Amino acid sequence: AQTVTQSQPEMSVQEAETVTLSCTYDTSENNYYLFWYKQPPSRQMILVIRQEAYKQQNATENRFSVNFQKAAKSFSLKISDSQLGDTAMYFCARSSGNTPLVFGKGTRLSVIA
Amino acid sequence: NAGVTQTPKFRVLKTGQSMTLLCAQDMNHEYMYWYRQDPGMGLRLIHYSVGEGTTAKGEVPDGYNVSRLKKQNFLLGLESAAPSQTSVYFCASSYRISYNEQFFGPGTRLTVL
Repeated sequence: AQTVTQSQPEMSVQEAETVTLSCTYDTSENNYYLFWYKQPPSRQMILVIRQEAYKQQNATENRFSVNFQKAAKSFSLKISDSQLGDTAMYFCARSSGNTPLVFGKGTRLSVIA
Repeated sequence: NAGVTQTPKFRVLKTGQSMTLLCAQDMNHEYMYWYRQDPGMGLRLIHYSVGEGTTAKGEVPDGYNVSRLKKQNFLLGLESAAPSQTSVYFCASSYRISYNEQFFGPGTRLTVL
């Protein structure tokens, strides 16, 4: 089975600091898509950022950016200037071709005031 | 635009009882999905649909059935509930299966006693 691995079950960061969440994946496809979703305590799943594997440029969305290393099959999420509202579970996910999203097990991030 | 809605939000069942979870989307999406979320396990795909009248098995389909009689609705059924099916269930939809983000419903918390 093709998998997505998040090796950090829990992390914490001080408000206004920067934190990086790790994700590695396994795929035999050449073209695929990578996502980071956020799940705050409200339980609602929210898309944070998306990366297309054929694009070399790393995606950015305001304070959120990714470090996409295709050869290493690594897709980490960097959150800059962390805010209390960033406290959430973060899920890395991959999809390709006719295959729906495969999720990692998640990283619980706590932002500390 | 309601997006993706789920009914009910909470439910408690006794072992052996049956129930149906309803998912509705108003975005005219072809693809719809049912996931379950358990602590430490991330989101796992139960079943999905690639269009009206179609269904396909995901990673953990046993004990569940689904139907997609109308494009906007995707039903998840438990014929004989078991305590192992205690979980939070999420429905999602997307325009395409891999390229586009999935939009999630608010989730249904199911407890089987």
